[in-house]
Amino acid sequence: GAGVSQSPSNKVTEKGKDVELRCDPISGHTALYWYRQRLGQGLEFLIYFQGNSAPDKSGLPSDRFSAERTGGSVSTLTIQRTQQEDSAVYLCASSPQSGGSPLHFGNGTRLTVT
Amino acid sequence: EDKVVQSPLSLVVHEGDTVTLNCSYEVTNFRSLLWYKQEKKAPTFLFMLTSSGIEKKSGRLSSILDKKELFSILNITATQTGDSAVYLCAVASGNTGKLIFGQGTTLQVKP
Repeated sequence: GAGVSQSPSNKVTEKGKDVELRCDPISGHTALYWYRQRLGQGLEFLIYFQGNSAPDKSGLPSDRFSAERTGGSVSTLTIQRTQQEDSAVYLCASSPQSGGSPLHFGNGTRLTVT
Repeated sequence: EDKVVQSPLSLVVHEGDTVTLNCSYEVTNFRSLLWYKQEKKAPTFLFMLTSSGIEKKSGRLSSILDKKELFSILNITATQTGDSAVYLCAVASGNTGKLIFGQGTTLQVKP
């Protein structure tokens, strides 16, 4: 079946512009995660959605970052007034349930802020 | 603060060598430890470990967890050039199962 789908695969934007990154998880997966990976670094947790529960936003680096998940499926990560330090690969992952189940990752969106 | 530390950060070996990658962790409410392989884009799942001392094996790869000493190792025997990748260790903690990742170990296998 289809894996986790992310779009766009690449995004170049000017400093100060807003961007929206989209994630379409595997059908039936209730848990959805966003991670950020800077060049040569590990994965940095951003936000987590589980079903209809309130999301865990503890990893969002600033109030310029927000995310929503509509209908328990597709998620959008929005970065307002982008800065050069936001340049990274943004990875989305989903799993059938929370609690340490292996995550299935998308191919990510490579964001470059010029 | 929860943290996961991997070592070495990078490693260069020749085909046929055996490598051991290390992962140590300090997290509250440990649930499981996972290993992923990342080649170009999406990390792909290798192993999930929840119990100490039980080796998980898949072909030339194996992994074991020590919950007393708070570490795990990933072994790769008879390495091949296709094993070249970044190997990520992650620990699931708390009720959400949020994964905390280490920095990764970059493995390069030369012919």
